[in-house]
Amino acid sequence: DAGVTQSPTHLIKTRGQQVTLRCSPKSGHDTVSWYQQALGQGPQFIFQYYEEEERQRGNFPDRFSGHQFPNYSSELNVNALLLGDSALYLCASSLDRGESYNEQFFGPGTRLTVL
Amino acid sequence: AQSVTQLDSQVPVFEEAPVELRCNYSSSVSVYLFWYVQYPNQGLQLLLKYLSGSTLVKGINGFEAEFNKSQTSFHLRKPSVHISDTAEYFCAVSALDSNYQLIWGAGTKLIIKP
Repeated sequence: DAGVTQSPTHLIKTRGQQVTLRCSPKSGHDTVSWYQQALGQGPQFIFQYYEEEERQRGNFPDRFSGHQFPNYSSELNVNALLLGDSALYLCASSLDRGESYNEQFFGPGTRLTVL
Repeated sequence: AQSVTQLDSQVPVFEEAPVELRCNYSSSVSVYLFWYVQYPNQGLQLLLKYLSGSTLVKGINGFEAEFNKSQTSFHLRKPSVHISDTAEYFCAVSALDSNYQLIWGAGTKLIIKP
């Protein structure tokens, strides 16, 4: 059973460019959450997708957008990259069981460097 | 609003010695509590979780944690550490008032000295 997979592993971009990161959830999971982890800090919640819609969003600007596909995989898009967007981007998947905590499983992350 | 405080940014400890990593949270409602481990250049792996029931929770790799509601703490312990435990450890909390999203501490680096 494959766990959560993310691609690419590493990415280098320049300021102003746009980037797309991809995530495939664990088999059987229907919910995908994205996190940004800056160096030396804990993860920060970006947003969560369920049933192909953004269900919750953290305190991130509109430059950060996403998508969930019918097969539950997801993309994170970041426009107009800033140096401060350099971070490890983590994807986590879970199975929605209603209005309570659903355990999240994390992928290995995509390391984005903005020059 | 919820917050999670990990009181130590780094904890150096000798191999085979016991260790405690501290975590305090603030929340006015019932919480779910988690410890994750992150090895260098890797993603996050769940060590253990408290959802309900016994306040002493056992996890993988010999780690355990105790939920103390009155102290709003969830400290992580291991009686004897190994060099392979070198990693960063994150405490996280989830509750209804954050729509069950994980709120994370800043992490504690566990440094094992030979």
